[in-house]
Amino acid sequence: KQEVTQIPAALSVPEGENLVLNCSFTDSAIYNLQWFRQDPGKGLTSLLLIQSSQREQTSGRLNASLDKSSGRSTLYIAASQPGDSATYLCAVNPGGSQGNLIFGKGTKLSVKP
Amino acid sequence: EAQVTQNPRYLITVTGKKLTVTCSQNMNHEYMSWYRQDPGLGLRQIYYSMNVEVTDKGDVPEGYKVSRKEKRNFPLILESPSPNQTSLYFCASSPDRGRVYTFGSGTRLTVV
Repeated sequence: KQEVTQIPAALSVPEGENLVLNCSFTDSAIYNLQWFRQDPGKGLTSLLLIQSSQREQTSGRLNASLDKSSGRSTLYIAASQPGDSATYLCAVNPGGSQGNLIFGKGTKLSVKP
Repeated sequence: EAQVTQNPRYLITVTGKKLTVTCSQNMNHEYMSWYRQDPGLGLRQIYYSMNVEVTDKGDVPEGYKVSRKEKRNFPLILESPSPNQTSLYFCASSPDRGRVYTFGSGTRLTVV
């Protein structure tokens, strides 16, 4: 059974730092992987989607990488800002499933001014 | 604006009183699904639908029903709610299973 783990559970950094959030999954046979952002009391916003054939995706200050063979993905945030404070969720779309996203429990990021 | 709309945002109800949480999307997406989010357990899929009249169970379907009579709507039905269904519920849609998912703002349900 696919399991997704995110480390660390919480992270606090000063503004301007570059940071890396980690996501690992137990079964490398995935269809794709998505990173989401969740603000308190709000829904999930999709940040980046990486197909199984891709190695990385970039959007602005965000860069997500995927290493299927080792079961790992990282989300790199450059020059962090207080507005980046949120919970970041990694979700795997397992190969062969009908679209059931398997979520990690998230990393709660706090960027201090 | 492209969006997934859930109603209500907040609901407090009593055990056994049937309720429906509505979900509607305006993006002509074929794929829709329901998740619940609980502290320490994260997000888990309840039901999903690949298209009109096509639905199937996710990981935690017990106590829930769904229907997909129209492409845009995917209501979640709790026939006899129990306190263990107290949770934060999210509806999501996507053009298909391999594309970006759009989530609704969530429905916080409390069953007393």
